[in-house]
Amino acid sequence: GDSVTQMEGPVTLSEEAFLTINCTYTATGYPSLFWYVQYPGEGLQLLLKATKADDKGSNKGFEATYRKETTSFHLEKGSVQVSDSAVYFCALSASGGSYIPTFGRGTSLIVHP
Amino acid sequence: GAGVSQTPSNKVTEKGKYVELRCDPISGHTALYWYRQSLGQGPEFLIYFQGTGAADDSGLPNDRFFAVRPEGSVSTLKIQRTERGDSAVYLCASSFGQGFDEQFFGPGTRLTVL
Repeated sequence: GDSVTQMEGPVTLSEEAFLTINCTYTATGYPSLFWYVQYPGEGLQLLLKATKADDKGSNKGFEATYRKETTSFHLEKGSVQVSDSAVYFCALSASGGSYIPTFGRGTSLIVHP
Repeated sequence: GAGVSQTPSNKVTEKGKYVELRCDPISGHTALYWYRQSLGQGPEFLIYFQGTGAADDSGLPNDRFFAVRPEGSVSTLKIQRTERGDSAVYLCASSFGQGFDEQFFGPGTRLTVL
């Protein structure tokens, strides 16, 4: 079945550091890929998405590129802020607009001033 | 406008007890989803409602779990004869359309079974 593997956290960075959170997936067909963020005490929020190979999703300074050849969707940000501290989830949904996602385990990001 | 709300935010119960978890979706959203997030794991799909009916309950782990949405708005997830392994955060999401990326998530209910 489908699966998503994320790097384990926590990831601890100083403010303005460069961020990479690795995500790889296993799926049949051509899934859509997502990054979700969960701030403390809040619900999951869609951060960005990509629906086909070589697409780049971006939002709030975060980027991720759908790499079919390496089955990856790594999350990057050039300069993190304290307010980016949260748990980040990589997820996929099967092609065809499926409503049932497969999530990774989540990666906690802690940014120190 | 108000987002998805879930009550209670925390629930502690004893093994064998019955619990109900409530979800209030965003007004006008016809689709509603329940997920379970165990410690250290990502959310796992439990059940999907379209209107009042359960369109897909393939993620419910066993017959101790049941969910209803009698008027097509508020939903209640019911767990009978709770077990320690049921301890998790239960997430609810709602959407107008059917695509996964259209779902808005609530903050979750943390269930602890002692």
